[in-house]
Amino acid sequence: DAEITQSPRHKITETGRQVTLACHQTWNHNNMFWYRQDLGHGLRLIHYSYGVQDTNKGEVSDGYSVSRSNTEDLPLTLESAASSQTSVYFCASSNDRIEQFFGPGTRLTVL
Amino acid sequence: GENVEQHPSTLSVQEGDSAVIKCTYSDSASNYFPWYKQELGKRPQLIIDIRSNVGEKKDQRIAVTLNKTAKHFSLHITETQPEDSAVYFCAASLGNNRLAFGKGNQVVVIP
Repeated sequence: DAEITQSPRHKITETGRQVTLACHQTWNHNNMFWYRQDLGHGLRLIHYSYGVQDTNKGEVSDGYSVSRSNTEDLPLTLESAASSQTSVYFCASSNDRIEQFFGPGTRLTVL
Repeated sequence: GENVEQHPSTLSVQEGDSAVIKCTYSDSASNYFPWYKQELGKRPQLIIDIRSNVGEKKDQRIAVTLNKTAKHFSLHITETQPEDSAVYFCAASLGNNRLAFGKGNQVVVIP
């Protein structure tokens, strides 16, 4: 069955380290999104992509980057992890009918 | 940009009663309005959505109503059950397949 997966599911890292979170979908969706979820803030958009080689900044993009080298994957990189980036990260994908489907999430702790 | 607000932030209902959550949005160009359910530790799951060309949509015990003039839409859950306890997020389309999310409502169904 087609699905969307994220890895790792849990990650603990230290301040200043580079961290990459993986997102993989097998629906062949063009659109992929990264959100972070924090108490009191709901889901906030970090970066998104409409297709291969396309990336766009969301509302909270500082300190994050993404790349899209194929349709299936949109890895999220934290260039130099900060404690403020401790959060739960969700990847989502959609086709052109807009409905977004979420991955299982990655809980990241930055010490 | 789009501003999506949800009320109330927490709602407690007796099992078997109905629950209603209301969302307001600011961008009159929004034309797609989904609702997501998120159980503790799980991913947000799309449970129902509505597009601007209809005023109401039902799926078993859940329904969504849309008032485009007033810029609000509501989630209705009838005959609530303990498994309906979760956080519910509403969203509104921003254009270009993006969504703006509300901050979520905690629904607690009391057995």
